[in-house]
Amino acid sequence: KAGVTQTPRYLIKTRGQQVTLSCSPISGHRSVSWYQQTPGQGLQFLFEYFSETQRNKGNFPGRFSGRQFSNSRSEMNVSTLELGDSALYLCASSRILAGGMNTGELFFGEGSRLTVL
Amino acid sequence: AQKVTQAQTEISVVEKEDVTLDCVYETRDTTYYLFWYKQPPSGELVFLIRRNSFDEQNEISGRYSWNFQKSTSSFNFTITASQVVDSAVYFCALSEVMDSSYKLIFGSGTRLLVRP
Repeated sequence: KAGVTQTPRYLIKTRGQQVTLSCSPISGHRSVSWYQQTPGQGLQFLFEYFSETQRNKGNFPGRFSGRQFSNSRSEMNVSTLELGDSALYLCASSRILAGGMNTGELFFGEGSRLTVL
Repeated sequence: AQKVTQAQTEISVVEKEDVTLDCVYETRDTTYYLFWYKQPPSGELVFLIRRNSFDEQNEISGRYSWNFQKSTSSFNFTITASQVVDSAVYFCALSEVMDSSYKLIFGSGTRLLVRP
């Protein structure tokens, strides 16, 4: 069974640009979450998607957005990049239980490492 | 507010030593999950264990064991007879329920270095 796939793995952008990161979940997993990992703030929750809808959002500015497609694949976008956006962006997928909740057991991809110059 | 504390920033041991990684959490939820993840240099977070708040039985999986003590809000992780391949950053995490889904609150991680 293929794991969570994230593309691109590495990218370099300059301040003010925008970036789109992609995530393909494990087959059958319908919940996709995004986390940001930085040395200073650690791992922080960005948002979670299920059924093409954002259900939860962490404490990040509106420059951070995302979407989910009908095949559960997800993208996240960061506009007007700042130096502080340099981070490892991790995508995680999870199965959905009968009541619509994810299981809480997240399977992570290897991440997209973004460097903003 | 939910919080996870991993007080040990970095631990260095010699191969075959036993090592315990500490995790203390704070939550107001009565039902919650606790997790341990391993992050090797490749960056991927590898799921190790999930523990339900109602299940305080310790768990052993090969060289790994977990000690969950609700009375002290701790969920410690022990690696027996450590190996070089165990070198990684280990994260403890706590679930927080938000609008029909769980998000994870992570600790700051403990970097484990196992020297040959």
